[in-house]
Amino acid sequence: EAEVAQSPRYKITEKSQAVAFWCDPISGHATLYWYRQILGQGPELLVQFQDESVVDDSQLPKDRFSAERLKGVDSTLKIQPAELGDSAMYLCASGTALTDTQYFGPGTRLTVL
Amino acid sequence: AQKVTQAQTEISVVEKEDVTLDCVYETRDTTYYLFWYKQPPSGELVFLIRRNSFDEQNEISGRYSWNFQKSTSSFNFTITASQVVDSAVYFCALSEARGVYNTGGFKTIFGAGTRLFVKA
Repeated sequence: EAEVAQSPRYKITEKSQAVAFWCDPISGHATLYWYRQILGQGPELLVQFQDESVVDDSQLPKDRFSAERLKGVDSTLKIQPAELGDSAMYLCASGTALTDTQYFGPGTRLTVL
Repeated sequence: AQKVTQAQTEISVVEKEDVTLDCVYETRDTTYYLFWYKQPPSGELVFLIRRNSFDEQNEISGRYSWNFQKSTSSFNFTITASQVVDSAVYFCALSEARGVYNTGGFKTIFGAGTRLFVKA
């Protein structure tokens, strides 16, 4: 069964350092989502791509976060510089343009010290 | 505006008990979709069910059942004869199409989740 791949699974970094997360969606899925999930809360959308275009990045802290999906396939989410409050689980999901069912990857758990 | 409320923060039951997880939503759209996801300790969200706003038929899948009632804007989830493996956080989500022709995909918001503990 096809799955969404994410790496790394865990990342520990010091504040003010740069971190990057990678996501490879299910083949053929045009829509890709990055969510941030703080402990004890539901996932919150950071950015949504339709192919290589950004559909929604209204909740992305653009002063330090960036996301790209250059060829409309895999995607990278970067934080620079990381802050203590960025400690969270970062989830990637993918889906087709016609349905809204999202399939999630295993997530990257980020700890900022 | 979209909103999903899961009023139950934590529920604890003994194995074999039935348990219902509540979900109440708000939306102005007439076409929308509702979901339940399971998040085990490993962290990955697992898709359980999708229901569109025009289909109020209840659904049963094994020990899982869902009760969708538009009149009360609720989409509740019941686990019958709970098992220890059901212990997880369960999220309800609401999705609406972006744009008239759904050209921008869907916008989804999640509730805060309900943590279910099933004790042996």
